[in-house]
Amino acid sequence: GAVVSQHPSWVICKSGTSVKIECRSLDFQATTMFWYRQFPKQSLMLMATSNEGSKATYEQGVEKDKFLINHASLTLSTLTVTSAHPEDSSFYICSVSLRGPGTEAFFGQGTRLTVV
Amino acid sequence: GNSVTQMEGPVTLSEEAFLTINCTYTATGYPSLFWYVQYPGEGLQLLLKATKADDKGSNKGFEATYRKETTSFHLEKGSVQVSDSAVYFCALSDRDSSYKLIFGSGTRLLVRP
Repeated sequence: GAVVSQHPSWVICKSGTSVKIECRSLDFQATTMFWYRQFPKQSLMLMATSNEGSKATYEQGVEKDKFLINHASLTLSTLTVTSAHPEDSSFYICSVSLRGPGTEAFFGQGTRLTVV
Repeated sequence: GNSVTQMEGPVTLSEEAFLTINCTYTATGYPSLFWYVQYPGEGLQLLLKATKADDKGSNKGFEATYRKETTSFHLEKGSVQVSDSAVYFCALSDRDSSYKLIFGSGTRLLVRP
């Protein structure tokens, strides 16, 4: 299966600053990556679909200007949380998958963001 | 739209007990079904999957059977271990949702020695 690496694993930032999270597909060329957000003791919420070479597709209710996604190559997608606030503190997870029936997704280890 | 419903946790069991975590789904098409596991502080890992009706997915002693007639994909294990303590997510994907994974709410399992 695909190996997905996220960096950093955790980050603490001050309110008002921006934070960039990287998601790398180490052994698989991913035209599509997915970004999820997970609140404590809750399920994953799909934020956006990152498309290589084009704009990301955001889910309803997710602020595009708040969560900037760039997918400049087949192995790297980045999520930038702009002007972070304490309510943005969460666990962010990326995944890659082939499209098609029965294809599993491969997840990064996640990034815990704490905004103080 | 498509959705997944899981039993609420936490589920607390003694070691070697039998485990069942219920999962039912709603889908307009013919989805693939998955169980993912999340250990503390980590991302999700695929535990098992089934792609068509009556398929049984199995891995590490866990099993789940794709039941189309009851729209269910219950997770079972005959004898749990302390190391099985984690959060378990049922999920589906199909063409109607562009193969995005739709997750259930997750069920936390705590196995006591």
